[in-house]
Amino acid sequence: GAVVSQHPSRVICKSGTSVKIECRSLDFQATTMFWYRQFPKQSLMLMATSNEGSKATYEQGVEKDKFLINHASLTLSTLTVTSAHPEDSSFYICSARGPGTGLTYEQYFGPGTRLTVT
Amino acid sequence: AQTVTQSQPEMSVQEAETVTLSCTYDTSESNYYLFWYKQPPSRQMILVIRQEAYKQQNATENRFSVNFQKAAKSFSLKISDSQLGDTAMYFCAFMRYTGNQFYFGTGTSLTVIP
Repeated sequence: GAVVSQHPSRVICKSGTSVKIECRSLDFQATTMFWYRQFPKQSLMLMATSNEGSKATYEQGVEKDKFLINHASLTLSTLTVTSAHPEDSSFYICSARGPGTGLTYEQYFGPGTRLTVT
Repeated sequence: AQTVTQSQPEMSVQEAETVTLSCTYDTSESNYYLFWYKQPPSRQMILVIRQEAYKQQNATENRFSVNFQKAAKSFSLKISDSQLGDTAMYFCAFMRYTGNQFYFGTGTSLTVIP
């Protein structure tokens, strides 16, 4: 099956610094990638949708200047948390899907990245 | 807008027994997809089962089956012969036929008791 990786799996950074999280589709080309945020014992909250070669579409309430998303290639999307603060500590999950619509190309989830801001 | 509701925050079941997780949704769409995802302690999201709304037959995958009631906008998951490895958070999700965004429910934490 299709595999999506995320790196790093865990990261600790100091308040005010920036951190980059990578999401890679290992064996398929992902025209669309999604970034989610998940707080403990809560559901996944969609942050943004990124399409290869174009600007990401952010959900309402998500600061685009704080959460920078780059989908520069068909296998890589990055999420950069800029000027991180303790309230940005969370579990970040990406998912990827190939071209087409409907279930022809499903979404595949990465294993997630736990970000802790001290 | 689409909403997905899971009214059971926590459930438990004895090993080898059967358990049913509830999910309701609200949409004005006529064609869409429904999913159940499992998130074990590792936090990796795993697809359990999916249902196309235009199919009347309920989907089944080994020990997992759904009861899809389109008119009632209900999509419950039945787990038969529960196993310890079934312990996880279970999320119900909706996707529009022409869209690619998931709408997730709030989740049900299932514990299988040995």
